[in-house]
Amino acid sequence: GQNIDQPTEMTATEGAIVQINCTYQTSGFNGLFWYQQHAGEAPTFLSYNVLDGLEEKGRFSSFLSRSKGYSYLLLKELQMKDSASYLCAVMDSNYQLIWGAGTKLIIKP
Amino acid sequence: GAVVSQHPSWVICKSGTSVKIECRSLDFQATTMFWYRQFPKQSLMLMATSNEGSKATYEQGVEKDKFLINHASLTLSTLTVTSAHPEDSSFYICSARGGARGIEERNSFFYEQYFGPGTRLTVT
Repeated sequence: GQNIDQPTEMTATEGAIVQINCTYQTSGFNGLFWYQQHAGEAPTFLSYNVLDGLEEKGRFSSFLSRSKGYSYLLLKELQMKDSASYLCAVMDSNYQLIWGAGTKLIIKP
Repeated sequence: GAVVSQHPSWVICKSGTSVKIECRSLDFQATTMFWYRQFPKQSLMLMATSNEGSKATYEQGVEKDKFLINHASLTLSTLTVTSAHPEDSSFYICSARGGARGIEERNSFFYEQYFGPGTRLTVT
């Protein structure tokens, strides 16, 4: 079967760095997405990785290792507004997105 | 660019009535649109995938006669919840994917789903 695993909840301090991990087992691979979702709102796109390595975009970076079926989202200089759920999703061989359950990130002052 | 709108943003209806939710891609042609449902504190659950001009493909466990999807044009898809019941109360989110636009396939636009703001449905 297809499976995406990510931690349910994480807590971090304002100004710090946090890494949210995602492991996957899917039928084929056409890229991995990270989305941010604030409570009561729709997800918003953060990053897309299809090749191994690190993609940096401002305070957010995303890493992919296809051989390990592993990705992480790195958030630097955390701000209170970063409190949200972070969803990992993998596009399988049928170009369907397989969603993880999301990681709720709590930022404390 | 790549804006998706949804209407209405919230709706309250009585049990037994039908509700239609519209999803529009405002500045691009959406070859494929997706409908999701999300219950509180849970992840997104894909309900169905629709391609313009063809019948929607429903996920296992989703009743196609209850959740009618129409994707009549490249910019509009509708979801109709028929004979709604309180257990249908949820947050319904649509997303649209542009597909190939002469853009390198590694570009995320080729595959990225752009989400509408969601519709909160409450059935009393």
